Amino acid sequence: DVKVTQSSRYLVKRTGEKVFLECVQDMDHENMFWYRQDPGLGLRLIYFSYDVKMKEKGDIPEGYSVSREKKERFSLILESASTNQTSMYLCASSMTGARGYTFGSGTRLTVV
Amino acid sequence: AQSVAQPEDQVNVAEGNPLTVKCTYSVSGNPYLFWYVQYPNRGLQFLLKYITGDNLVKGSYGFEAEFNKSQTSFHLKKPSALVSDSALYFCAVSFSGNTGKLIFGQGTTLQVKP
Repeated sequence: DVKVTQSSRYLVKRTGEKVFLECVQDMDHENMFWYRQDPGLGLRLIYFSYDVKMKEKGDIPEGYSVSREKKERFSLILESASTNQTSMYLCASSMTGARGYTFGSGTRLTVV
Repeated sequence: AQSVAQPEDQVNVAEGNPLTVKCTYSVSGNPYLFWYVQYPNRGLQFLLKYITGDNLVKGSYGFEAEFNKSQTSFHLKKPSALVSDSALYFCAVSFSGNTGKLIFGQGTTLQVKP
């Protein structure tokens, strides 16, 4: 069964910590995406990558960075976590073209 | 600008009744349209998509959607709702030449009451 795996389902971090969210896909997809989901705001794109070592900013990249050293892994980094980054984070991957996404189960991050 | 709108925050239906969750879009070029469902504290699951061809698309769990180009709509439908259909539903659109990146609507919560 093909899938996208996010390393943590629930995470609690302190303000100012550097936080790493990991995402791994086993489908050999070119594209990978990080979204955050907040009530009433839907899904907002943070960063995406369409190839190894390539990255592009989404709609809300401030306070985040990403790393894609291998095709199957796309990491989201919160350089200095803040309480307004408390959210559900969703990773997805896709093939190039109109194929749609496969999503991970999500990481619910709480910053205290 | 490319966008997707889901005009209803919540839809309430009784079990056994037909349901409709609305979606309209605005993109340049030919749209590729998707519906996803999300159960509590989970990721999004693919339901169905329209790329080309027949305007009526059938998907998972008995859902279907109709692409209407003149009304720029892609409403999700099911003839007979189940309590287990209660979830958050997202419409999304992509278009040719954008590397497959999806634009999502705000989401519609479907409540099916017994």
